[in-house]
Amino acid sequence: GAGVSQTPSNKVTEKGKYVELRCDPISGHTALYWYRQSLGQGPEFLIYFQGTGAADDSGLPNDRFFAVRPEGSVSTLKIQRTERGDSAVYLCASSLSEQETQYFGPGTRLLVL
Amino acid sequence: AQKVTQAQTEISVVEKEDVTLDCVYETRDTTYYLFWYKQPPSGELVFLIRRNSFDEQNEISGRYSWNFQKSTSSFNFTITASQVVDSAVYFCALSDTGTASKLTFGTGTRLQVTL
Repeated sequence: GAGVSQTPSNKVTEKGKYVELRCDPISGHTALYWYRQSLGQGPEFLIYFQGTGAADDSGLPNDRFFAVRPEGSVSTLKIQRTERGDSAVYLCASSLSEQETQYFGPGTRLLVL
Repeated sequence: AQKVTQAQTEISVVEKEDVTLDCVYETRDTTYYLFWYKQPPSGELVFLIRRNSFDEQNEISGRYSWNFQKSTSSFNFTITASQVVDSAVYFCALSDTGTASKLTFGTGTRLQVTL
């Protein structure tokens, strides 16, 4: 079946702009996760959803970052007033339920100029 | 706090050689899960294995094998008879009851297999 999909695959924006990154999980997966991967590093946790609610948002770096999952399926990660330091690959993963194996999407490569 | 250490930044081998990727973890929990993911040049993380802390049996899947040793907090990954297609960055990761579902990743080991 279809895996996790993320759009756009690449996003270039200017410092100070607002961006939205979208994640479409595997059908039937109730848990959804966002990670951020900087060059040469492992992914770092940002937030995860169980259903529609954010179960843990402790990884969000500051209040410029926000994520929603209004219908318990697609999720959007929103970044306000982007900074050059936000440049990274943003990865989304989903799992059948909490503590189950996470399957990752291809990521969105964000470049803030 | 949980931590995953992959001390080998980069390994280069010639095709058909065996190679072992090391992973050492830290956690205060007695119940936890360990994972290996592969990230080929295309960038997508590919799940390889999940192991829970109560199962210390070694696992073999084709050319891949995993050695889990609780006594040394290690979960090492061996590729037998490596192939060029094995070239990728490999990540070890941990989740425990303290972190619920979120994964803590190591910094990865880049494996380069040449002809």
